[in-house]
Amino acid sequence: AQKITQTQPGMFVQEKEAVTLDCTYDTSDQSYGLFWYKQPSSGEMIFLIYQGSYDEQNATEGRYSLNFQKARKSANLVISASQLGDSAMYFCAMSGLISNFGNEKLTFGTGTRLTIIP
Amino acid sequence: DSGVTQTPKHLITATGQRVTLRCSPRSGDLSVYWYQQSLDQGLQFLIQYYNGEERAKGNILERFSAQQFPDLHSELNLSSLELGDSALYFCASSPHPTGVTGELFFGEGSRLTVL
Repeated sequence: AQKITQTQPGMFVQEKEAVTLDCTYDTSDQSYGLFWYKQPSSGEMIFLIYQGSYDEQNATEGRYSLNFQKARKSANLVISASQLGDSAMYFCAMSGLISNFGNEKLTFGTGTRLTIIP
Repeated sequence: DSGVTQTPKHLITATGQRVTLRCSPRSGDLSVYWYQQSLDQGLQFLIQYYNGEERAKGNILERFSAQQFPDLHSELNLSSLELGDSALYFCASSPHPTGVTGELFFGEGSRLTVL
């Protein structure tokens, strides 16, 4: 079974500073994916970034980067130059097998509420 | 805009009632996932369909059922509703039949309140 742990229930960060959101995971699968999603107060889930377990380079998408440390089983999200619009819940998730047919599902962490202070 | 459409956005009903939530996936996506987000359980996987066939089940109650139609839209039916069923129900789509490689595209969710 997969497990995602996000130990920071809430964070306050000054605007324009960089912020790191922690995520550790546990799985027995050899192949898996790691994801970060943003959920603003409006409720929708917005995909931010993806890292495959065999990807050797850390994924980057604009101001978002994923600090993937496989040996430590961590997949921290780094947001550079934070903006007021970054205030939201952030969820770390990983894909894992749920059937013998190779089907996968996403397992989500409990989330971190990020608040950007002007 | 993810391209995934969910209706209704908000729904208020009473215990014991039955509701149907509808999802239209992104154009071309054959795979649909349903997730439930409640305050105490976080985001929980319910069920997945691919091209009309059920592919995987998660923590879905027997009172809940789903289907995917030939036009690929999906419906989640919730019956004998209880207070604890109040949650945000997400539909997500993917072009992949089995894997979640890449990303899942989520709809805006249907917020169900059971009184």
